[in-house]
Amino acid sequence: EAGVAQSPRYKIIEKRQSVAFWCNPISGHATLYWYQQILGQGPKLLIQFQNNGVVDDSQLPKDRFSAERLKGVDSTLKIQPAKLEDSAVYLCASSLGVDYNSPLHFGNGTRLTVT
Amino acid sequence: SQKIEQNSEALNIQEGKTATLTCNYTNYSPAYLQWYRQDPGRGPVFLLLIRENEKEKRKERLKVTFDTTLKQSLFHITASQPADSATYLCALDMSGFNKFYFGSGTKLNVKP
Repeated sequence: EAGVAQSPRYKIIEKRQSVAFWCNPISGHATLYWYQQILGQGPKLLIQFQNNGVVDDSQLPKDRFSAERLKGVDSTLKIQPAKLEDSAVYLCASSLGVDYNSPLHFGNGTRLTVT
Repeated sequence: SQKIEQNSEALNIQEGKTATLTCNYTNYSPAYLQWYRQDPGRGPVFLLLIRENEKEKRKERLKVTFDTTLKQSLFHITASQPADSATYLCALDMSGFNKFYFGSGTKLNVKP
């Protein structure tokens, strides 16, 4: 099966600029996640979708971050305006659904550098 | 608040030995726990899942234990190989809705 696809692979922007990341999950996976991974740390959950609804976004900095999953498939994560501390790898993951004890399948992430 | 702790210091072992990694958690009783492997520049890859009513789970050279009294999981790699060198992450479902929080990971270095 095809894995989770993410793009772009790398992005360099200046602070206060905006940026968007795209994710295409594994076909048939109802749950989609965005994680932020700062160098040397574990992934931090930003938002979890079940189909096109939000399950949890309690750790998403909503003043600057937004995410959507239109039609319950692809998802985009946006940062506007970016800050230096947003420099991190943004990982997208998908799983079968919230009712399953199913593993997360991750993409290889987008490495964001904010200068 | 929930806390998931993994040894932040790298674990260096000789090829052929058993590597043991620790995951401790506080303030929660997860229904299950997962272990992932992460290589540089790549996303985490799922290895094993263990439920709260399972004491131990095995897969080839991997073994996971789950002690809900100690609030601890141990991850073992037997007969370790240099190819096992990576960062290993534990993840706990804190909500019962497949919502996973990750530890900071432990870097394993297996020397030939």
